[in-house]
Amino acid sequence: QQQVKQSPQSLIVQKGGIPIINCAYENTAFDYFPWYQQFPGKGPALLIAIRPDVSEKKEGRFTISFNKSAKQFSLHIMDSQPGDSATYFCAATGAGGTSYGKLTFGQGTILTVHP
Amino acid sequence: NAGVTQTPKFRILKIGQSMTLQCAQDMNHNYMYWYRQDPGMGLKLIYYSVGAGITDKGEVPNGYNVSRSTTEDFPLRLELAAPSQTSVYFCASRDAGTKRGSWYNEQFFGPGTRLTVL
Repeated sequence: QQQVKQSPQSLIVQKGGIPIINCAYENTAFDYFPWYQQFPGKGPALLIAIRPDVSEKKEGRFTISFNKSAKQFSLHIMDSQPGDSATYFCAATGAGGTSYGKLTFGQGTILTVHP
Repeated sequence: NAGVTQTPKFRILKIGQSMTLQCAQDMNHNYMYWYRQDPGMGLKLIYYSVGAGITDKGEVPNGYNVSRSTTEDFPLRLELAAPSQTSVYFCASRDAGTKRGSWYNEQFFGPGTRLTVL
């Protein structure tokens, strides 16, 4: 079964801290790994994404680190702010034609950033 | 553009009742998806569609049906509601082709429908 395992389930940090959320996958056919951010009462929204041909991608305060041999990837949030408090989901899919963009999601991490 | 819209926002059903969750998108996307979100479980794919008249099962299709008569609309039907279908349902869409300068297209999610079956 295609799975993406995400940890921790919840995370509390102080403002300015660097929360790290980890994900591991099994299916080696996955070749696109997005992170989604979800605020209460809203739908998920794409935050940042990476392909396995690079080991790191940065967009503003958000960084994805990717370890292809270990089949693991993680999200780092630099200088975290209370406004970053949300649920974060990692996901994976294959880019091939028959994948049709179907996403396999991790279980989610509830991040709380205290002022 | 309104993006992806879903109705209703909330609904309470009794066991055995039926209902249709509506989803519409105005971005002319070919691909559409239905997910359910349960606490601690992430999002699970129920059904998806790659174009009008074409649908297929996802990971958790039992108890649901879909149709896709137009590019814009992708309704999800619950025929005999059960407590196990209590969840938050999200519809999403994405462009099928690869946009110029991009190797992957983002999925856009609606605001969700919170369904309780009692």
